[in-house]
Amino acid sequence: AQSVSQHNHHVILSEAASLELGCNYSYGGTVNLFWYVQYPGQHLQLLLKYFSGDPLVKGIKGFEAEFIKSKFSFNLRKPSVQWSDTAEYFCAVNGARAGTALIFGKGTTLSVSS
Amino acid sequence: DGGITQSPKYLFRKEGQNVTLSCEQNLNHDAMYWYRQDPGQGLRLIYYSQIVNDFQKGDIAEGYSVSREKKESFPLTVTSAQKNPTAFYLCASSKAVGTYEQYFGPGTRLTVT
Repeated sequence: AQSVSQHNHHVILSEAASLELGCNYSYGGTVNLFWYVQYPGQHLQLLLKYFSGDPLVKGIKGFEAEFIKSKFSFNLRKPSVQWSDTAEYFCAVNGARAGTALIFGKGTTLSVSS
Repeated sequence: DGGITQSPKYLFRKEGQNVTLSCEQNLNHDAMYWYRQDPGQGLRLIYYSQIVNDFQKGDIAEGYSVSREKKESFPLTVTSAQKNPTAFYLCASSKAVGTYEQYFGPGTRLTVT
């Protein structure tokens, strides 16, 4: 069955620390990959996406993610987190063919202390 | 100002009652989705629609129903058959189902007692 696993349920960091959130997926065939973020009290919004091409993708607010096909992974990284990065982060995947809906991971809550 | 609106923000119902959650988009998107968000569960797909008058069941469709009579609107009815209806419900839309970003509404928190 198709699935997305996010390894960390809750991550606590100090400001300026580096961040890496793990995401692995199980999906047959070519995939599209997404990271969404939900800041406290705000809408879920897209952080970055991978469809094809360069496996290292850059998103908003200094985030990046690397697609490693052999490891079925799409880990999210940021070299130096800020207090304002406190949020819940969701990894999602869908098949590259038309008509397939997104499958989300269970989310990782990031708490950044100043 | 384009986007997705969901109303109301908070909804309270008694057990045994059906309740309909509203979702409207003015992004001219063909595809619309309903997700349920529970703590520690992520987002789980209830129903999605690729086009008007068409919809598909997601992973947790039991106890829910939808309609898609207009492109802009995709209401979700939580029926009395849904065993655990208390949750946060999110509506989303995209240009089409597949290789497109989904845009999310602010959500409706439903509490059933």
